[in-house]
This record gives sequence, structure tokens and C-alpha cells, in this order.
Amino acid sequence: DAKTTQPNSMESNEEEPVHLPCNHSTISGTDYIHWYRQLPSQGPEYVIHGLTSNVNNRMASLAIAEDRKSSTLILHRATLRDAAVYYCILRDIYNTDKLIFGTGTRLQVFP
Amino acid sequence: KAGVTQTPRYLIKTRGQQVTLSCSPISGHRSVSWYQQTPGQGLQFLFEYFSETQRNKGNFPGRFSGRQFSNSRSEMNVSTLELGDSALYLCASSLDIALSGASTDTQYFGPGTRLTVL
Repeated sequence: DAKTTQPNSMESNEEEPVHLPCNHSTISGTDYIHWYRQLPSQGPEYVIHGLTSNVNNRMASLAIAEDRKSSTLILHRATLRDAAVYYCILRDIYNTDKLIFGTGTRLQVFP
Repeated sequence: KAGVTQTPRYLIKTRGQQVTLSCSPISGHRSVSWYQQTPGQGLQFLFEYFSETQRNKGNFPGRFSGRQFSNSRSEMNVSTLELGDSALYLCASSLDIALSGASTDTQYFGPGTRLTVL
């Protein structure tokens, strides 16, 4: 079973920042926090991941709470192309390539 | 570098038939995973292959099976199709945790095969 909780949907206007929350209160010390997104009619794609510290890449930023029980994916300037379902996933360091997807957050971006 | 390719992209079958789906991973990737996506159940892990061996398996009946070839290409087979097997079947490849480390191992997904069972 998925060990993360996300809102079903969120909305944003184009070029505004978006903060997508994820709760993972049962996270263990060996769990990494991964984010994937699925654009319409496509397979999921990797967005970002982290363990304890905040992370930045060209796509997004990941802010991780100090107790690691929650995290937030930040899209600094949403574009229409960012409209997708965003999945927050916990991956154990010893896990093989099995991703346990939750229901994700459907992000709508309005022009 | 070419991405993950899946064939066919669309497939229509009738109940009771069997189907084989194919997945070609990114060159150099040795791990291949399969997922089923339906509106009701979302994305669910089917199985994972590495070096021609099934390394992990999800909670699906034995009608769902797979294999991996020496070139890392993979196929999955569903026998005795049921209406509920209608879904998008996604394949994902990755280098391998042992090589890249779990913290950075990224799965790259193909576009999927849309299977409709009538």
C-alpha cells in the first residue's frame, strides 16, 4: 500500500508558483522521497528526489520537513505543460525497482 | 539516446484470448518493470526483471507473466483475458540499484500499451 497522502487536485495560474504537499508520517530512516509526474497520454516521468535536505533541479524544488513526515514539491513558475498528475513516492534504499504509486495530485494550470 | 519503446501502442482483444506486450528498455538499462494503470486502481506494480530473472512481483494472478531476454528486452503475457484486464500497461527501465544506488536510480517509462478487452 502507498504510504503517502496527497490532495486529489490543485489549481494554479500560469507563471505562478505551485506548492504540492505530501504527507508521509510513517516514513522510515531508509526511505527516499521521490516525485514523478504523468502528463496526459504519457507514462510517468521522474521529477526529483531527496532524503533529508532540500533539493533543487531544473524542473522543480523539493522541500522536506525537518521531521521528514511531510514534503512539498515546488514548481517555481507553472506552465501549461506542467498540468499533470504528480505522485509522491517513498523508496526504501534497499528496495528494488518497485514504485508504489498513490492516487497522486492532479494539477490544473490555467492561462 | 532513445527512450523506452513499447509495442504495440494499442490492442483490442476479446475475453478468453491471450496477449503479449513488448518493451525495449533504454540502451544499457538492465532492469525492466511493468505496471498496470486503470481508472479504478491507479498505477499498480506487476513485476520486475533483471538479468533475465524475475526479481520482484506484485499482487496479480498467475495469468500475468513476463520474461526478459539477454538483450534486456522484456515481454509480458496475459492469458485468458478478462474484461477487467483492460488497462494501460506501462514498462519502465532503469540502470539498476546495485549499479547506480537506490538514492539516484530513476525509472524511465515508456508511453504504454493501451489494451482493450471486449
